[in-house]
Amino acid sequence: AQSVTQLDSHVSVSEGTPVLLRCNYSSSYSPSLFWYVQHPNKGLQLLLKYTSAATLVKGINGFEAEFKKSETSFHLTKPSAHMSDAAEYFCVVTNPQAAGNKLTFGGGTRVLVKP
Amino acid sequence: DGGITQSPKYLFRKEGQNVTLSCEQNLNHDAMYWYRQDPGQGLRLIYYSQIVNDFQKGDIAEGYSVSREKKESFPLTVTSAQKNPTAFYLCASRPDTGFEQPQHFGDGTRLSIL
Repeated sequence: AQSVTQLDSHVSVSEGTPVLLRCNYSSSYSPSLFWYVQHPNKGLQLLLKYTSAATLVKGINGFEAEFKKSETSFHLTKPSAHMSDAAEYFCVVTNPQAAGNKLTFGGGTRVLVKP
Repeated sequence: DGGITQSPKYLFRKEGQNVTLSCEQNLNHDAMYWYRQDPGQGLRLIYYSQIVNDFQKGDIAEGYSVSREKKESFPLTVTSAQKNPTAFYLCASRPDTGFEQPQHFGDGTRLSIL
């Protein structure tokens, strides 16, 4: 079994300040974890993925995430928010036993960036 | 450029009508997926297919049907049995080369009831 909890449904930041999006997961097997971003009326775009090679994962657009097994967390950060970062972000988990490599999605975090 | 094309972008359904959403990919991916997204919620899996001529139900398959006659195509039919079809529908695909491979998404079809 697997599940994902995104701890904040909304996050508001000022442009140029750090962004932190929190994600906790549970998985019966060693997971793969992903962060996706969705802009309005668009599909999901992959920001980064964790696949056990390194616990600190760098993604596109200056985002990075750290896998912490002891805390079952995979928080997403960015040092300096840009207006274009306003979107919804999804934390996603899968594992090698998931039928069809099924993904489990968190509920999403909507990010507002203030000028 | 390789990618996933969903059409139409907007679709309206009358009561008692079946409608079909198109999904085409030119990424040479083996597996394809259909998701439903409701406002303020994450994505829920409707159907998936890992190989041509084979598909499996996801978590919310009732009222939907699919086919996979070609590797590139995975159309979704929303039948009249689906009583609450208004949602944003997303198609995805991935290579079937390991569970760590991410899914790639199309830009979605928004379905509304007339």
